[in-house]
Amino acid sequence: GNSVTQMEGPVTLSEEAFLTINCTYTATGYPSLFWYVQYPGEGLQLLLKATKADDKGSNKGFEATYRKETTSFHLEKGSVQVSDSAVYFCALLMDSNYQLIWGAGTKLIIKP
Amino acid sequence: DAGVIQSPRHEVTEMGQEVTLRCKPISGHNSLFWYRQTMMRGLELLIYFNNNVPIDDSGMPEDRFSAKMPNASFSTLKIQPSEPRDSAVYFCASRRFDGPSTDTQYFGPGTRLTVL
Repeated sequence: GNSVTQMEGPVTLSEEAFLTINCTYTATGYPSLFWYVQYPGEGLQLLLKATKADDKGSNKGFEATYRKETTSFHLEKGSVQVSDSAVYFCALLMDSNYQLIWGAGTKLIIKP
Repeated sequence: DAGVIQSPRHEVTEMGQEVTLRCKPISGHNSLFWYRQTMMRGLELLIYFNNNVPIDDSGMPEDRFSAKMPNASFSTLKIQPSEPRDSAVYFCASRRFDGPSTDTQYFGPGTRLTVL
């Protein structure tokens, strides 16, 4: 079946460090891929998305590239801030479907 | 746009009581989702409505849970009777689906339910 695997957290970094959160997927077709972010005490917010291979999603300094050959959608940011501390979820959605397949989430802690 | 609105934000109740959670989706959206989030099980899809019609309720845990969507701008999730294991954060999400480029779900802030 379809699934999403994220690196386990928590990930702890110092401010201005480079961030990578790994996400790989298994899918029978060609899904759309998403990163959502959940700040403490809040709902999930869409961070970025990509709908086809080689697409790059970007937002707020975060980027992720849809890599079909490695079935990956790793999240990166060049210089993190304390305000980036949150839980990050990778998810996939198959064409004409409605059910997002979620990763387990990766907690990110940024220390000043 | 105001985004997805959920009420109440926090609910504390005693075992056996009825609990009703409310959701107002984003205007113009035609799909609505109810999720439950716990540390042990992560995010679980409970039920999915499209154009106010329940399409998939396979995630509803048991008969104590019911959901309605009487119109395009309102939905409820009811638990009767509530049990301590129902304690979780319940999210409502909506989307306007008319193709792969518009498949983004927008989440509300959630209702944190505690059943004592």
